[in-house]
Amino acid sequence: EDQVTQSPEALRLQEGESSSLNCSYTVSGLRGLFWYRQDPGKGPEFLFTLYSAGEEKEKERLKATLTKKESFLHITAPKPEDSATYLCAVRSNSNSGYALNFGKGTSLLVTP
Amino acid sequence: DAMVIQNPRYQVTQFGKPVTLSCSQTLNHNVMYWYQQKSSQAPKLLFHYYDKDFNNEADTPDNFQSRRPNTSFCFLDIRSPGLGDAAMYLCATSDPGIPDNEQFFGPGTRLTVL
Repeated sequence: EDQVTQSPEALRLQEGESSSLNCSYTVSGLRGLFWYRQDPGKGPEFLFTLYSAGEEKEKERLKATLTKKESFLHITAPKPEDSATYLCAVRSNSNSGYALNFGKGTSLLVTP
Repeated sequence: DAMVIQNPRYQVTQFGKPVTLSCSQTLNHNVMYWYQQKSSQAPKLLFHYYDKDFNNEADTPDNFQSRRPNTSFCFLDIRSPGLGDAAMYLCATSDPGIPDNEQFFGPGTRLTVL
C-alpha cells in the first residue's frame, strides 16, 4: 500500500526566510507526484506534477524537486500570502484508476 | 471561468437523516472524484467515476453512495449520517487526455452532523 508522509506538520517562517517542506513516499510504481496548496476552508489548488527522479519545476517562489524516495518543496523568500497548507500526493500502479493518495500536509505560516 | 462548483458550501444535518451533496463542473472532464477530508487530515478518496463507470474505494462505507446522471453533475448521498461523518467533502475532476492529468478541486462542502 502507498505511504505518503509529510514533514514538518507545521512550519512558521519569517517573511524572507527560505525553507523546504518534505514529502517521503513509498509506492509501487510511481506514476506522478503532485503538490497542491490548500487555503483554509477551500479546495486544494494544483501546483506541480513530477514524474521521475531528478525532475524539478518552478513557479514564482516555489520549486519542487523529486528523488526516488522523496520530494521537496523549496520556498524562497516567502511572503505572508504563501501561508497555507501544502499537500503532497502520489499516483501509482496500486491506485485505482486515476486516484491520488495524499499526505496530511504541512501547515505553513509566514509572518511579516 | 471554467470551474468545479459545490453546493451547498455548508450543510447541517441530524444524526441519521439522509443528506445529498452536489457537484457540477464546466470543464467537461471525464473523471469526477469525491474525497472526504477531516480536520488536519489528508483528503481520503471515497470513489470516482470515469464517464459512467463507477469505482468504489475498498474501505468506503456502504453508507456513502454516489450518482452521476451526466458529464456535468455528480452527487454524494450519505444515507444515515453519523457523528463521524462530519467533515469537508471535496469534489474534483480530471481529464486523462491532458499531460499532467491533475485534479481540479471544488471549494468543498462542510458537513456538520448534530
